[in-house]
Amino acid sequence: SQTIHQWPATLVQPVGSPLSLECTVEGTSNPNLYWYRQAAGRGLQLLFYSVGIGQISSEVPQNLSASRPQDRQFILSSKKLLLSDSGFYLCAWSTGGSGANVLTFGAGSRLTVL
Amino acid sequence: GQNIDQPTEMTATEGAIVQINCTYQTSGFNGLFWYQQHAGEAPTFLSYNVLDGLEEKGRFSSFLSRSKGYSYLLLKELQMKDSASYLCAVMDSNYQLIWGAGTKLIIKP
Repeated sequence: SQTIHQWPATLVQPVGSPLSLECTVEGTSNPNLYWYRQAAGRGLQLLFYSVGIGQISSEVPQNLSASRPQDRQFILSSKKLLLSDSGFYLCAWSTGGSGANVLTFGAGSRLTVL
Repeated sequence: GQNIDQPTEMTATEGAIVQINCTYQTSGFNGLFWYQQHAGEAPTFLSYNVLDGLEEKGRFSSFLSRSKGYSYLLLKELQMKDSASYLCAVMDSNYQLIWGAGTKLIIKP
C-alpha cells in the first residue's frame, strides 16, 4: 500500500532563518506531488506541484521554492522566512497523469515564524 | 474569478442528520470532491462526483447538480467523531483543484 511521510510535524523558526520541509511517498512510482498551505478560515492554497523529477510548477510567487531530487521525494524550502510564512503546510500525492485523481495528504507541518 | 462557497460553521446533534452545502463558480468542471479534516490533521478523501445525482457511501452521501453549480454532503446518524471540517473542492477545466474554506461541523450530545 502507498504511504506518505512528511516532516517535521512542528517547527518554530525566527524571521530570516531558512526552512526545509521534506515529503516522501512509498509504494508507488511517478506520482504527482503537491505542496499546499492552509491558513485559518481559508481554502487550501496550492504552492507547488510536480509531475516528475526536476519538474516543478509554481502557483504563487513568494519566497518559497520546491525541489524534487528523486521520484518520490518533494522538498519545500526557503532561504529567509517571513512572518507571513506561518501556517500549516501539507504535502500530497496523486497517481501520475492528468485526470481527476484523488489527493492523499501527509500529516502536515505546522510552521510558526516568530 | 473562480469561487467555492460553503458555510463557515454548522452545529448538529448526535444521531441526527446534517446537510453541508457547497456552491461553485469555476472555469470548467471535471468533478467535485469532499474531504474530511479533523482539527490539526490532514484532509482525508470522502467522495467524488462528476455526474449529476446522489452517491451514497454508508452514512455519508454526496449530491451534485452541475446545472446549478451545487453540491451537498449529507451525514446521517451523526456520531461525535464526525466533528471535523468538511472541505469542498472542484476540479476546473485545467484539472486544477479549487478549494472552499471548509465547513466546521460541531456535534453536540
